[in-house]
Amino acid sequence: EAQVTQNPRYLITVTGKKLTVTCSQNMNHEYMSWYRQDPGLGLRQIYYSMNVEVTDKGDVPEGYKVSRKEKRNFPLILESPSPNQTSLYFCASSPRDRVYEQYFGPGTRLTVT
Amino acid sequence: GQSLEQPSEVTAVEGAIVQINCTYQTSGFYGLSWYQQHDGGAPTFLSYNALDGLEETGRFSSFLSRSDSYGYLLLQELQMKDSASYFCAVRENQAGTALIFGKGTTLSVSS
Repeated sequence: EAQVTQNPRYLITVTGKKLTVTCSQNMNHEYMSWYRQDPGLGLRQIYYSMNVEVTDKGDVPEGYKVSRKEKRNFPLILESPSPNQTSLYFCASSPRDRVYEQYFGPGTRLTVT
Repeated sequence: GQSLEQPSEVTAVEGAIVQINCTYQTSGFYGLSWYQQHDGGAPTFLSYNALDGLEETGRFSSFLSRSDSYGYLLLQELQMKDSASYFCAVRENQAGTALIFGKGTTLSVSS
């Protein structure tokens, strides 16, 4: 089954404790992206990647890191999480020439206390 | 700056037709996408318009007017399962490296 998977689905952590949210897709898509969703703010892009070893900042990259060492994986790293990073996070992927049609993962609900 | 405006909420009854509007002001424009999201779930792609006009996909249609910086999603023969949030998203550059999403419209369908 074609899908984007994220882990963990739910995470409660404390300020400053480094964490990684994994994202993997099995559709051989070149493009991958991370979004955060907050009430009333819609989806805001954090980082994206057009291919292996190619990443770039989105609209809200502060406090986040990403890497793209393999085509299928695009982990999101929070080196020192803060309470304002409490949010619902989505990973998405698409073919390079169809970025308008993105496939989203199930989401990761992160709470930072 | 860039902005996408959608109504925050729309209500309708089963069997009705509803139109969700989206006006945009962005630094570039190469197309308008629509996504559906059921409560807290993954957004799913519905449609995409790169050119002016109407695109029809079953009960859903999407329209674009580039000269008016305006588009809409039309949902016909509404069903309870259509209750969800709907987001418009602008493809802002030719390389398609980013989609700029609107804040979403919550559609509530009642019987």
